[in-house]
Amino acid sequence: QKEVEQNSGPLSVPEGAIASLNCTYSDRGSQSFFWYRQYSGKSPELIMFIYSNGDKEDGRFTAQLNKASQYVSLLIRDSQPSDSATYLCAVPRGSQGNLIFGKGTKLSVKP
Amino acid sequence: GAVVSQHPSWVICKSGTSVKIECRSLDFQATTMFWYRQFPKQSLMLMATSNEGSKATYEQGVEKDKFLINHASLTLSTLTVTSAHPEDSSFYICSARGLAGVSYEQYFGPGTRLTVT
Repeated sequence: QKEVEQNSGPLSVPEGAIASLNCTYSDRGSQSFFWYRQYSGKSPELIMFIYSNGDKEDGRFTAQLNKASQYVSLLIRDSQPSDSATYLCAVPRGSQGNLIFGKGTKLSVKP
Repeated sequence: GAVVSQHPSWVICKSGTSVKIECRSLDFQATTMFWYRQFPKQSLMLMATSNEGSKATYEQGVEKDKFLINHASLTLSTLTVTSAHPEDSSFYICSARGLAGVSYEQYFGPGTRLTVT
C-alpha cells in the first residue's frame, strides 16, 4: 500500500458546488496532514494543515481528519473556476519531516 | 510571510554543462530545505533534504555527485546539476521549513524550469 493515496481524477464540479477531495494514508502514527494546491506549470502552494481529529475551516476550505479511518479530506465550498488545479495531500515522514505527497487529484470547476 | 524565492526561474543549457539553482527563504530562517523534481504530468519527487551546515541526505536513486547541494546559511541552499543531459530537463522546486516549534509545513519556491539541449 502506498503511503499516501489520492484519486487522480479528474474531478469535475459545476461552479458554486462543493468539491470534495479525499486522501488516505498508511502510517497510523501520522500526526499532521497538509493540503497543497498546484496550478499547471507552477509550484505547490500550502492551503491548509490539520493536526486534530475533526474539522478545520479556513474561508471556503474545510479540512476533515479521521485518524481512526486514516483519511483526510478537503472540502471547497462555492467552487470557482479559479479553484481548478491539482490538489496534493501530504504527510510528514521521519525525523526531518520530509513530506510524502500523494499523486494529487485534478479538480476542474466548470463555469 | 513564509516567502521562498528561486533563481533562475528558467534556464536553457547545453548538454555537458553545469547549472546552479538558488533557493532563498526571504522572511524566515530555514532549518531544512528540500529539493524536488517534477516531470510533466507526474507527481513531485523528493531528491534530497539539506540542513544548514551539514551534508545533504539524498533519496534512493538520486546521484549525489551529479546533483550537488550546498546549504550554506539558514536562508540559502543551492542545487548544482553537473554535466547536465537532456534527461535532466525537468521542473526543479525547492521548499523550506522554518525554525519555529515542530511544525512540518513546507513553503515552496516558484520552481526552476531546466531545459538541456
